[in-house]
Amino acid sequence: NAGVTQTPKFRVLKTGQSMTLLCAQDMNHEYMYWYRQDPGMGLRLIHYSVGEGTTAKGEVPDGYNVSRLKKQNFLLGLESAAPSQTSVYFCASSPGRGENTEAFFGQGTRLTVV
Amino acid sequence: KNQVEQSPQSLIILEGKNCTLQCNYTVSPFSNLRWYKQDTGRGPVSLTIMTFSENTKSNGRYTATLDADTKQSSLHITASQLSDSASYICVVSAYGGATNKLIFGTGTLLAVQP
Repeated sequence: NAGVTQTPKFRVLKTGQSMTLLCAQDMNHEYMYWYRQDPGMGLRLIHYSVGEGTTAKGEVPDGYNVSRLKKQNFLLGLESAAPSQTSVYFCASSPGRGENTEAFFGQGTRLTVV
Repeated sequence: KNQVEQSPQSLIILEGKNCTLQCNYTVSPFSNLRWYKQDTGRGPVSLTIMTFSENTKSNGRYTATLDADTKQSSLHITASQLSDSASYICVVSAYGGATNKLIFGTGTLLAVQP
């Protein structure tokens, strides 16, 4: 039972390069999220999806795009990476938005932009 | 502005001792409060979820309390073990929009020493 799996675990990019982070969940969850975690700050929501084919902006969406073509996958794209996007990225999924709905997180992707 | 503040920032205790971590929040409208454990290099893992009407919830050696009137929560760890060394993150969920918004604290870094 894998839960939420992120690929890759580590990546170094040069400024201006592009890349896609993949998140896959095997729990049949409707909701999926992308967060970034920076030192001294709480996790911040980048984009989220409430179901296959839907996406929406979170708190810090600039410089990122997402797609949810399949229910189990949520992709985060950086079209032109900037040093300010150096961070640890976490994907999460949840079955819904109920009061006791638990969110499950992936193991994270550490991205460095030089 | 929705905020979650945790104290202390870091804590060192000896194995076998108890400790209490604090969380104060100003989040509206309140949905639930969660405590997560994040091991170094891993994603957050849920410990407890409490709704407005719940005052306390336990998960093994972890006991969370919630005072909705004073908007404070605490996480008490009993008989600490070396494996408890991690960051503990308080997260408050606010109702609203297509998905409830999670507001993350910056965490308390706990080190348990032998």
